[in-house]
Amino acid sequence: GAVVSQHPSWVICKSGTSVKIECRSLDFQATTMFWYRQFPKQSLMLMATSNEGSKATYEQGVEKDKFLINHASLTLSTLTVTSAHPEDSSFYICSAAHGRPPYEQYFGPGTRLTVT
Amino acid sequence: QKEVEQDPGPLSVPEGAIVSLNCTYSNSAFQYFMWYRQYSRKGPELLMYTYSSGNKEDGRFTAQVDKSSKYISLFIRDSQPSDSATYLCAMTPGYSSASKIIFGSGTRLSIRP
Repeated sequence: GAVVSQHPSWVICKSGTSVKIECRSLDFQATTMFWYRQFPKQSLMLMATSNEGSKATYEQGVEKDKFLINHASLTLSTLTVTSAHPEDSSFYICSAAHGRPPYEQYFGPGTRLTVT
Repeated sequence: QKEVEQDPGPLSVPEGAIVSLNCTYSNSAFQYFMWYRQYSRKGPELLMYTYSSGNKEDGRFTAQVDKSSKYISLFIRDSQPSDSATYLCAMTPGYSSASKIIFGSGTRLSIRP
């Protein structure tokens, strides 16, 4: 089956620093990757959609200068949280898709970010 | 009003019981309806999907969609402790995997041995 990995699985950083999260599709080429954010006991909220080689499309209310997304290849997308604040602490999940029906979106295991 | 409403639970049932999980939605454009299972600190995994109205069965799991009522359900028969997880309903109007998926808030399910 399709496998998506994320690295790191958890990270702690200090306020004001930046942290990068990687999302990789291991056995397929992902034309589209999605980044979600999930707070405890809440749903997944889509942050942005990225297509390989083009700029990401951000959802309303998501600061594109704060959450930098790069989809440099068909197997790798990165999310960089810049000038992190404690309120950015959350569970970040990516998913990858390769143009098939909408239910064929494969999720990574998530990255837990804690900003101190 | 949220586009997708789901009772967060928690829901606790004894092993072997039939579990019923439900969601309501407001956007009549939704065409694909999915159920995901999410274990603690893990990403969601797709359990079942249904296109438009109707029922779909896969082993112990049955998904139902009633578009006229904007109501979807997931039934789990002969529930097992390993079914303990958070179940997320999700839906999308789109036809490709680049379509935005809207998730419910998830129902935490616990199966007691």
